Amino acid sequence: GQSLEQPSEVTAVEGAIVQINCTYQTSGFYGLSWYQQHDGGAPTFLSYNALDGLEETGRFSSFLSRSDSYGYLLLQELQMKDSASYFCAVRDPTSGTYKYIFGTGTRLKVLA
Amino acid sequence: NAGVTQTPKFRVLKTGQSMTLLCAQDMNHEYMYWYRQDPGMGLRLIHYSVGEGTTAKGEVPDGYNVSRLKKQNFLLGLESAAPSQTSVYFCASSRDSNSNQPQHFGDGTRLSIL
Repeated sequence: GQSLEQPSEVTAVEGAIVQINCTYQTSGFYGLSWYQQHDGGAPTFLSYNALDGLEETGRFSSFLSRSDSYGYLLLQELQMKDSASYFCAVRDPTSGTYKYIFGTGTRLKVLA
Repeated sequence: NAGVTQTPKFRVLKTGQSMTLLCAQDMNHEYMYWYRQDPGMGLRLIHYSVGEGTTAKGEVPDGYNVSRLKKQNFLLGLESAAPSQTSVYFCASSRDSNSNQPQHFGDGTRLSIL
């Protein structure tokens, strides 16, 4: 089946750099996406990687290695507001183009 | 911009009652999705739609029905609520099926079944 694995929790201090990993197992691959969700809020899209390498968007970067079935989200200059859950997601190739599979999420705690 | 709007935001039901959750999007998106989110289990797809008049089953469809009579609306129905359906329900939409098109989520409906 299709699956994604993420650490359940990561803790870091304000101003630091943190990396959230995601490994996936799928029969095909259409790219890796990342979403952020604050407690009580809705998931919001952060980034998407279709090809190997690093994509940078401000303080956030996302990396993909298709040969290793692995990606990560890198958060720099951590701020208290970055405390949230982060989900990786892939498109389910067995369904064609329509369905997404989400990881179980990584809860990031930023300490002052 | 309203984006994706879900109603109601909170609801408490008794076992066996029925209800409908409404999702409306104003972005003219073709694709719409219903997810449930339970602690430690991430987002699980219940049903989805690839256009007006179409629906399809997701990962956990049992006990739910959906309808997409209008492009902007996607309704999720619980015919006979069960305690196992206590969850937070999220609706999402996307412009098309390309992976680089993000899903836009509503604020969720918190549903408790007693």
